[in-house]
Amino acid sequence: GAVVSQHPSWVICKSGTSVKIECRSLDFQATTMFWYRQFPKQSLMLMATSNEGSKATYEQGVEKDKFLINHASLTLSTLTVTSAHPEDSSFYICSASSLAPGEQETQYFGPGTRLLVL
Amino acid sequence: DQQVKQNSPSLSVQEGRISILNCDYTNSMFDYFLWYKKYPAEGPTFLISISSIKDKNEDGRFTVFLNKSAKHLSLHIVPSQPGDSAVYFCAASGGETSGSRLTFGEGTQLTVNP
Repeated sequence: GAVVSQHPSWVICKSGTSVKIECRSLDFQATTMFWYRQFPKQSLMLMATSNEGSKATYEQGVEKDKFLINHASLTLSTLTVTSAHPEDSSFYICSASSLAPGEQETQYFGPGTRLLVL
Repeated sequence: DQQVKQNSPSLSVQEGRISILNCDYTNSMFDYFLWYKKYPAEGPTFLISISSIKDKNEDGRFTVFLNKSAKHLSLHIVPSQPGDSAVYFCAASGGETSGSRLTFGEGTQLTVNP
């Protein structure tokens, strides 16, 4: 249980184009999803918290107009990197929050999406 | 302000021995702690968690210990296996962090030698 998928797993795009990454919780409903970014040899950096049916909450320093997040359903959140530039090249990981009866919320992560902007 | 710290960037252990990964935190409002394992170019995999009302949680080869007074937790893996070689992140939630928002440590690279 608690499987999270991401699509695509990797993408190469030209500078100036937009890229959409999908995050799905496959076997549970997630009212909250999170988007992270990881640079080589660094920890996960939380970019934003996505709540179904409401606007995402962005971390300080993350441009909301550049990283558009849509959480249209309880099983799907999307991150769109708009007008991508080479400095946006990174490993993007989503997670979905699952709450089992009698348990505290646990985040389950997707496999990540490697973005390379040329 | 790094609220969750893993002071050892790397750890090397012989197969069959115990691996002990450490994590310290500064925010006394954290009430839930998790350990994740991560391979390169993959998302983190949830391993084990512990609530602040407990001091120990065990799941197979993995045991997490929590010392609230010292604001310290550790993950014990015994016996260690070569397949355990990965980066291990500890994470914490609670207090000012809203909902299940996690604060991660920097990670520790564990290498288990055959």
